[in-house]
Amino acid sequence: EAQVTQNPRYLITVTGKKLTVTCSQNMNHEYMSWYRQDPGLGLRQIYYSMNVEVTDKGDVPEGYKVSRKEKRNFPLILESPSPNQTSLYFCASRTSGLSYNEQFFGPGTRLTVL
Amino acid sequence: AQRVTQPEKLLSVFKGAPVELKCNYSYSGSPELFWYVQYSRQRLQLLLRHISRESIKGFTADLNKGETSFHLKKPFAQEEDSAMYYCARHGSGNTGKLIFGQGTTLQVKP
Repeated sequence: EAQVTQNPRYLITVTGKKLTVTCSQNMNHEYMSWYRQDPGLGLRQIYYSMNVEVTDKGDVPEGYKVSRKEKRNFPLILESPSPNQTSLYFCASRTSGLSYNEQFFGPGTRLTVL
Repeated sequence: AQRVTQPEKLLSVFKGAPVELKCNYSYSGSPELFWYVQYSRQRLQLLLRHISRESIKGFTADLNKGETSFHLKKPFAQEEDSAMYYCARHGSGNTGKLIFGQGTTLQVKP
């Protein structure tokens, strides 16, 4: 089944403890992206990647890192999480080219930072 | 700045009533607009895109450039339409970014 997967789905951690949220897609998509979803703010892009080894900042990149060593994987790294990073995180992917191509979203990762 | 505005946080209607979820966008030439839907405990998924001019699950959305709007409509709401709906536009440049509105929760009561 073509899909985007994320792990873990739920995570409770403490301030300052490094964590990684994994994202993987099996559709051979070039483009991948991370969003965070907060009440009243909708979804905001954190980082995106146009292809392997090509990443760039989105609208709210502070406190996050990403890497794209393989086409299928796009992990989100929080080196020193803080409570304001408590949020629902979504990974998305799509083919490159036409901008109206559908983006496919993962199931979401609910992160709580105490 | 490119923006998408959904003025209603919650829209509550009875089954069989017409539904209109409002979406306005900041002007910038020819935007590419989408409606995404998130059903309870499910992932965000594409409902429709303006370029396709399609009707999905009875929903339609017309781009009105004069009013910079892309309202989502359905003539007769069903209980299974209850979900969170996001209007989105494609960001400028080649970032692939989607700019989302704040979202509207549609509640269809029996």
